[in-house]
Amino acid sequence: DQQVKQNSPSLSVQEGRISILNCDYTNSMFDYFLWYKKYPAEGPTFLISISSIKDKNEDGRFTVFLNKSAKHLSLHIVPSQPGDSAVYFCAASVEQGAQKLVFGQGTRLTINP
Amino acid sequence: KAGVTQTPRYLIKTRGQQVTLSCSPISGHRSVSWYQQTPGQGLQFLFEYFSETQRNKGNFPGRFSGRQFSNSRSEMNVSTLELGDSALYLCASSFRGKTEAFFGQGTRLTVV
Repeated sequence: DQQVKQNSPSLSVQEGRISILNCDYTNSMFDYFLWYKKYPAEGPTFLISISSIKDKNEDGRFTVFLNKSAKHLSLHIVPSQPGDSAVYFCAASVEQGAQKLVFGQGTRLTINP
Repeated sequence: KAGVTQTPRYLIKTRGQQVTLSCSPISGHRSVSWYQQTPGQGLQFLFEYFSETQRNKGNFPGRFSGRQFSNSRSEMNVSTLELGDSALYLCASSFRGKTEAFFGQGTRLTVV
């Protein structure tokens, strides 16, 4: 049973436009959500997180939106840059501070010049 | 500041053997967790250690074990290797009380 789902295996976006990556979850106990970026041959790199008490968190070009009633979160990247091409994973935890993360399958984002 | 260091980077083992992977966390991080990444199952939580104690464990058989030393360095061990254990094993470290974990580059284990 996959508790965190990223239904789009891949996404292609023009440089300078907005990239929107989506993630759905089924476990209502999840309380804290994170996005990671992964380049080939490297470990995942933390991007941004959001607590369930918020519906939006922004950090530079990256914004994460959380819709608890729909059990859905999304990552917006504006403007998209070639260096953003990577695999993006969303992850969830039952509480902030807990280390057990449940990851989605990832979405491969390609930014085209 | 040095990142999370995992050794070795690549490993080839024969079915039935055992293997030990090592992880040195970021200085000051006392929480270490391990994940397995495979094409079919994605990233899956193995276990978490803090202050030399296992705090949480994922759904893996007992062949998978780990430990943490007083300097926060951690090792994981897989005994009686199976072909399906071929994967990228990732270690992550964090400050206590913070969910945001910083990952190493991983150890690519191939079982033949």
